Amino acid sequence: QIQLQESGPGLVKPSETLSLTCTVTSGSGSGDNDYWNWIRQPPGKGLEWIAYIQDSGSTNYNPSLKSRVTISVDMSKKEFSLKVNSVTAADTAVYYCARGAYGDFDSWGQGTLVTVSS
Amino acid sequence: DIQMTQSPSSLSASVGERVTITCRTSQTIYNYLNWYQHKPGKAPKLLIYRASNLYVGVPSRFSGSGSGTDFTLTINSLQPEDFATYYCQLSYSSPFTFGPGSKVDIK
Repeated sequence: QIQLQESGPGLVKPSETLSLTCTVTSGSGSGDNDYWNWIRQPPGKGLEWIAYIQDSGSTNYNPSLKSRVTISVDMSKKEFSLKVNSVTAADTAVYYCARGAYGDFDSWGQGTLVTVSS
Repeated sequence: DIQMTQSPSSLSASVGERVTITCRTSQTIYNYLNWYQHKPGKAPKLLIYRASNLYVGVPSRFSGSGSGTDFTLTINSLQPEDFATYYCQLSYSSPFTFGPGSKVDIK
């Protein structure tokens, strides 16, 4: 069973860049069939898929965030990352990384709360 | 984008009861519909994939049905550990939208 762990600052100032990393702490992916995703949940709200990246580097972004988001991967280090530019209070959320097939999320990290505040 | 609705948004039920949650989409997604269970402070868990397939390790009291635009998650004989929020999610195409959630709490 693959296990994932998010890491990164818990507090980011408005207009700055949010940066998170997800590390595969146990197990491994299955190569080209893996889609490495970021998903978030603002306080009191539902889940929102942000983006995925494959081992090959192929990416797909949610249009609602595409202009501000970058996802990258380095599976030699067993990690993938998320950057969100120009953050506002609306980006305050628990951020999850997740792995799965296309559109499926079968393994999740525990989540990390990121608060945007000055 | 495909819009998703869930009903009810919340419900109260007793241990042993049968619970049914419905998910509807604004256009057909064939059977590309997943269900997740989410408890506060925990990672969501995949329960059902492709509308009706039980994910590995998920108890058989959970079942899913439906295709096209209408889908159902059923929990037979609700257990204490099943009190949570349940989300449907489309996997047909990006963006992989989640439904608004259905919270199941103790009556």
